[in-house]
Amino acid sequence: SQQGEEDPQALSIQEGENATMNCSYKTSINNLQWYRQNSGRGLVHLILIRSNEREKHSGRLRVTLDTSKKSSSLLITASRAADTASYFCATQGNFNKFYFGSGTKLNVKP
Amino acid sequence: GAGVSQSPSNKVTEKGKDVELRCDPISGHTALYWYRQSLGQGLEFLIYFQGNSAPDKSGLPSDRFSAERTGGSVSTLTIQRTQQEDSAVYLCASSFLDTGSPLHFGNGTRLTVT
Repeated sequence: SQQGEEDPQALSIQEGENATMNCSYKTSINNLQWYRQNSGRGLVHLILIRSNEREKHSGRLRVTLDTSKKSSSLLITASRAADTASYFCATQGNFNKFYFGSGTKLNVKP
Repeated sequence: GAGVSQSPSNKVTEKGKDVELRCDPISGHTALYWYRQSLGQGLEFLIYFQGNSAPDKSGLPSDRFSAERTGGSVSTLTIQRTQQEDSAVYLCASSFLDTGSPLHFGNGTRLTVT
């Protein structure tokens, strides 16, 4: 399977703490994207990092990519209760197809 | 502007019946994807329409599943002779065709086969 794997599967933290989620994948990629899914909703795009980039920031989000290890991490700083959701990484190869990981369920306690 | 719209939002059907799920993508998006998500799980790729090219059907789990996209816009996913294991949320997403364009998802159709 080309799907990625996220860890941890579930993460529970206090508001204000940082949350780190990891993603590993199997094949070469063009880019890697992170998505967020609130319960009962579709996924929402958060951030994209290209295969020639190592780190990217967007607001409270920081994404790293290590293509030699085929892994990525998503850091959410100063978490808020509203960040509670499932987070998925998705890899996109040369044929534009997206493969999603199994997701990390984040719970931020107020 | 309008996002990706899926209908119905919920569908309950009896085992053995056929169902049709509809997806209206964002206007101008030439790529359209269908995914299946079982409860608490990740997304399973089903099928991908890319502009005028032949669709990539490699993720369809059986020949009971089919999809079409008419006029490069609306897509319909059809499941024939539904089984209980088909119960899941079916998500549709669209994007521009160029690599790096993010996916825009609908809210999905929750299918329950009784």
